[in-house]
Amino acid sequence: TQLLEQSPQFLSIQEGENLTVYCNSSSVFSSLQWYRQEPGEGPVLLVTVVTGGEVKKLKRLTFQFGDARKDSSLHITAAQPGDTGLYLCADRDDKIIFGKGTRLHILP
Amino acid sequence: DTGVSQDPRHKITKRGQNVTFRCDPISEHNRLYWYRQTLGQGPEFLTYFQNEAQLEKSRLLSDRFSAERPKGSFSTLEIQRTEQGDSAMYLCASSLETNTEAFFGQGTRLTVV
Repeated sequence: TQLLEQSPQFLSIQEGENLTVYCNSSSVFSSLQWYRQEPGEGPVLLVTVVTGGEVKKLKRLTFQFGDARKDSSLHITAAQPGDTGLYLCADRDDKIIFGKGTRLHILP
Repeated sequence: DTGVSQDPRHKITKRGQNVTFRCDPISEHNRLYWYRQTLGQGPEFLTYFQNEAQLEKSRLLSDRFSAERPKGSFSTLEIQRTEQGDSAMYLCASSLETNTEAFFGQGTRLTVV
């Protein structure tokens, strides 16, 4: 059974700071996805990466996929209060397997 | 299209009662997924359907849980003889096909008292 570990579990930083969160898998990803989930809502897809070493940018968010396709990072530049939420990495195949998430809180 | 719709949004039930949740996927989406999420955890996979066929069930889905998608459109998740440990958010998602973007509903929050 694939295990996805995310770190840190919790992160609270000031608005304007930069941050990086991590995701590690016990096995190679089929395709890696990052989601953000806000309280009372379902997860919303941010990005899908497939190729080892791939880097994708979404405004202030940079997603990096490890060469071995077993790890990933999400970097946020100049965090804003609107970035607050639960960030989930996931393996997308026939179904979606999620990590436990990193709960991010941006202080104004 | 209004996205994935789940009903009810909240359900409080007494231990031992049966509950049923409904999920209406995005129209023409062939895949439908059910997940359970408890506080501080990521969503845990329960089961998924390709049209009306249930293709996989997690070991988390005990014999008290049953899911159906009779006409390949909406789906229901029933929990029989609810236990306090069943208290969680139950999420439904749909996608056009496998490996395409999945869209989640807002979930049904179940509280068993």
